[in-house]
Amino acid sequence: EPEVTQTPSHQVTQMGQEVILRCVPISNHLYFYWYRQILGQKVEFLVSFYNNEISEKSEIFDDQFSVERPDGSNFTLKIRSTKLEDSAMYFCASSEPSRSGGADPQYFGPGTRLLVL
Amino acid sequence: AQSVTQLDSHVSVSEGTPVLLRCNYSSSYSPSLFWYVQHPNKGLQLLLKYTSAATLVKGINGFEAEFKKSETSFHLTKPSAHMSDAAEYFCVVGNSWGKLQFGAGTQVVVTP
Repeated sequence: EPEVTQTPSHQVTQMGQEVILRCVPISNHLYFYWYRQILGQKVEFLVSFYNNEISEKSEIFDDQFSVERPDGSNFTLKIRSTKLEDSAMYFCASSEPSRSGGADPQYFGPGTRLLVL
Repeated sequence: AQSVTQLDSHVSVSEGTPVLLRCNYSSSYSPSLFWYVQHPNKGLQLLLKYTSAATLVKGINGFEAEFKKSETSFHLTKPSAHMSDAAEYFCVVGNSWGKLQFGAGTQVVVTP
């Protein structure tokens, strides 16, 4: 069964450093997403991406964040200058185009645990 | 605006007994609702989805959920809990642009 994969599984970085989190969505999916889950808190939406453009982003997704689909398979999240509060589990997800209207189910990767020191 | 409220942060059940996880939603239009499960140190797995085709939705692992518009509820049930059901369960509402909004989660403990 196809699945979303993410690398690395864990990343430790120093405050102020840039990190790139990588995701390979399910191959026939066209919509891509990033979410994060700070320890002990809710899963929060960061950004959605379709047709090489951001479709929607949350207030968390400020100028320090960017997303890119550099080729036909990868989808990346870059944090330019990490802060302590960026420490979280970051989940990538993907979905197919809707056939029935409404939101499609999203299929999540296993996550990247980011620790900023 | 849309949101979900999970009414129980923790639920403890005995193996073989029914499980009920409660969720209420708020949405200004016909909602898309989901339940996801997260096992320890694992990712989020889709259990089931509701998108207006039927009010009773069957999911994986014997779970089902009933959409009740009059009560704005989407409770998740399973007739008989198994030890492997111990996990955190999230009720989720989605908009047409794909943004999912997660509830706070319900931690399920299954005792022998």
